[in-house]
Amino acid sequence: DAKTTQPPSMDCAEGRAANLPCNHSTISGNEYVYWYRQIHSQGPQYIIHGLKNNETNEMASLIITEDRKSSTLILPHATLRDTAVYYCIVRVAYGGSQGNLIFGKGTKLSVKP
Amino acid sequence: ETGVTQSPTHLIKTRGQQVTLRCSSQSGHNTVSWYQQALGQGPQFIFQYYREEENGRGNFPPRFSGLQFPNYSSELNVNALELDDSALYLCASSLPRGGGSYNEQFFGPGTRLTVL
Repeated sequence: DAKTTQPPSMDCAEGRAANLPCNHSTISGNEYVYWYRQIHSQGPQYIIHGLKNNETNEMASLIITEDRKSSTLILPHATLRDTAVYYCIVRVAYGGSQGNLIFGKGTKLSVKP
Repeated sequence: ETGVTQSPTHLIKTRGQQVTLRCSSQSGHNTVSWYQQALGQGPQFIFQYYREEENGRGNFPPRFSGLQFPNYSSELNVNALELDDSALYLCASSLPRGGGSYNEQFFGPGTRLTVL
């Protein structure tokens, strides 16, 4: 079973920031938080990952709480092309079961004009 | 685009038949994972291949089997197809282990299998 909890759906106005929450209260010390998204009829796309520090890349920012029990993915200026299902996943990043991404149902983000 | 390709894009089979799906990994990736995604659900891990050996398996019956070739491309075989096997089948390749690199997975576009 997925170790994360996400809201099933969210709306966001185009041009505004989209903040997608994720709860992972049972995360272990060696587990990272990964975010993927899946645009309709395509394969999932990696967005970002982090351990305990906030991370930013060209796609998004990841804010992880100090106790690491929750995180927020931020799309700073959402566009219509960001409409997708967003998955929050916790997993080890080095060795171990590197292939085993456990997906939940994710959050369906709808960006509206 | 991730550089991971899958074929065919769509496939229709009847119950009881066998099917083979193919995946070409991104250049330099020696690990391929397969996932099944039913409609409205997140992808479910089937198994992973690392250097031509199975390296982990999810909760799928033995009629789901796979191969990885020396060039790291991979096949997923499903025997005795059932109606519930209708799904999007995704493969993902990942960076080599070790060297301090994280195991980010790059997904292909998937093969849509319909079992009638």
